[in-house]
Amino acid sequence: AQKVTQAQTEISVVEKEDVTLDCVYETRDTTYYLFWYKQPPSGELVFLIRRNSFDEQNEISGRYSWNFQKSTSSFNFTITASQVVDSAVYFCALSEQPQGAQKLVFGQGTRLTINP
Amino acid sequence: KAGVTQTPRYLIKTRGQQVTLSCSPISGHRSVSWYQQTPGQGLQFLFEYFSETQRNKGNFPGRFSGRQFSNSRSEMNVSTLELGDSALYLCASSQTVEGYYGYTFGSGTRLTVV
Repeated sequence: AQKVTQAQTEISVVEKEDVTLDCVYETRDTTYYLFWYKQPPSGELVFLIRRNSFDEQNEISGRYSWNFQKSTSSFNFTITASQVVDSAVYFCALSEQPQGAQKLVFGQGTRLTINP
Repeated sequence: KAGVTQTPRYLIKTRGQQVTLSCSPISGHRSVSWYQQTPGQGLQFLFEYFSETQRNKGNFPGRFSGRQFSNSRSEMNVSTLELGDSALYLCASSQTVEGYYGYTFGSGTRLTVV
């Protein structure tokens, strides 16, 4: 069965610190997709990144970077030089695409607070 | 380009009533899926529609149902509301069946059952 674990329930750091959000997943499929979403207080889930299981290249987008390691079934997210605007709940999600139908399995989320 | 629109934003209902939530996907997106978010259970998949067909359903009782119209707009219905149905209901749309370009979520409908 698919499962996503975000062991860190809450993280609080001071602005400009680097912070890494952990995500570990379980799946029996060889083809799957991993996602990170950000949920600000408004409630909307904001798409950050999508990775497929065949692409283990790390990705950097500005202050955000992602480290995908199939060997450890992890897809970690790092924010460099954090800012107060980064405060939100972050979700890691897995999709196995059963029969082409969408179904995201989410982790429990990590509430990130950046203090000025 | 307009995003995913969910109406209403907030809703208060009484136990036993029924409720209908609406979701308008991004223009051109044919796949719509629904999620329930609660503090205790987190984000859970309800169902997914593509071209008016329900392709996948989560582990929810039959009181939860949905449908998709020919213009890809979707509705979900919850009958005989229970206190535990209080949640944020999120709708997501995707351009492709595989979600290759990611899933775009709406701001949700916050349902409170009293």
